Amino acid sequence: AQKITQTQPGMFVQEKEAVTLDCTYDTSDQSYGLFWYKQPSSGEMIFLIYQGSYDEQNATEGRYSLNFQKARKSANLVISASQLGDSAMYFCAMRGYQAGTALIFGKGTTLSVSS
Amino acid sequence: DSGVTQTPKHLITATGQRVTLRCSPRSGDLSVYWYQQSLDQGLQFLIQYYNGEERAKGNILERFSAQQFPDLHSELNLSSLELGDSALYFCASSASGVYNEQFFGPGTRLTVL
Repeated sequence: AQKITQTQPGMFVQEKEAVTLDCTYDTSDQSYGLFWYKQPSSGEMIFLIYQGSYDEQNATEGRYSLNFQKARKSANLVISASQLGDSAMYFCAMRGYQAGTALIFGKGTTLSVSS
Repeated sequence: DSGVTQTPKHLITATGQRVTLRCSPRSGDLSVYWYQQSLDQGLQFLIQYYNGEERAKGNILERFSAQQFPDLHSELNLSSLELGDSALYFCASSASGVYNEQFFGPGTRLTVL
């Protein structure tokens, strides 16, 4: 079965600092996608970044980068230069063929950015 | 704006009742997914439809059902509601394949009293 593990319930960071949110995954699929979503207090789910299992380069989207280590089955999200607006819940998710291409989510990490 | 619409935004009802949640996917997306987010269970996949046909089932209760219509909008029906069904219900749509991100609607917050 597919599983996503996020071991950090909460993280605290100061503005302008970088922060890494951990994510490990388990799957027997050879082809899969790894995704990070942000959920602010307003509740919507915002797509941040994606990494394909066959991508050799780590994905980057602006201040977000995904540190993909396939052998270790980890897909950590790195946010550079944190901003107050980054305070939110962050979910790591995986999409493979086992669940009909649905997303399997981790339990999330709450990020708090202070000034 | 993700392009996925959900109605209603909030729904308050009583135990034992039946409700219908509606979702319109992004233009061109054939797949619709329903997810439930609750404090104790987290974000859980309920069911997927692809071009009108059920494609996959997750942790969906027998009291819940869904369908996707020819115009690709989808409805999630929840019946014999219990207090524990109170949650945020998301609809998401995507293009096919595991490498495509899913775009989420704003969600319907269901409160069962």
